[in-house]
Amino acid sequence: DIQMTQSPSTLSASVGDRVTLTCRASQTITTWLAWYQQKPGKAPKLLIHDASSLQSGVPSRFSGSGSGTEFTLTISSLQPDDFATYYCQQYKSYSNTFGPGTKLEIK
Amino acid sequence: QVQLQESGPGLVKPSQTLSLTCAVSGASISSDDYYWNWIRQAPGKGLEWIGYIHYRGSTFYKPSLKSRLTMSLDTSKNQFSLNLKSVTAADTAVYFCARSDYPSLYFDLWGQGTLVSVSS
Repeated sequence: DIQMTQSPSTLSASVGDRVTLTCRASQTITTWLAWYQQKPGKAPKLLIHDASSLQSGVPSRFSGSGSGTEFTLTISSLQPDDFATYYCQQYKSYSNTFGPGTKLEIK
Repeated sequence: QVQLQESGPGLVKPSQTLSLTCAVSGASISSDDYYWNWIRQAPGKGLEWIGYIHYRGSTFYKPSLKSRLTMSLDTSKNQFSLNLKSVTAADTAVYFCARSDYPSLYFDLWGQGTLVSVSS
């Protein structure tokens, strides 16, 4: 299986901050990567697919970049609704895998 | 508006079979364009993809679960199902059904999830 790691595991930030979350794959996945936001007790929500394509309806303050093995999710100006856990997912292989998540907390 | 809704027992005894159904509304599961997936999340843990089924019958399961797992679909009811046999406490999780595009495997629509506890 392709292993995914995310850093940091927890990030404390304030409303209005620009934050960057990192995801790394154990082998190249070109741009077969998605990002999800999950709030407690809720299903994950797709934010980004194909590493940098914004899912319809997702605010433009979210952006994704990267290719190969290293990827980032950037939130340009944090809003109160953005405090959640973020997961990356590789789908290069049919046995797709998720990263362990980054919890974004209010400072 | 497409919606997915999981249903099934919230409690299963060890060694028995966990059975869940995902009802799809607002779209047909009889489409070449989508895979229908199951994903789970143990309490306080991350997400684990379990497997998918396509309406033409193809399936792909997580290798570590393959020996215990069966997925099926019922086009007449527009729903798909999961059966996981010989469960243990390690199978306790919130189970989500989700849709992914063919051939990409990112999940654009999710059910709300249902908690299944494995306990005697």
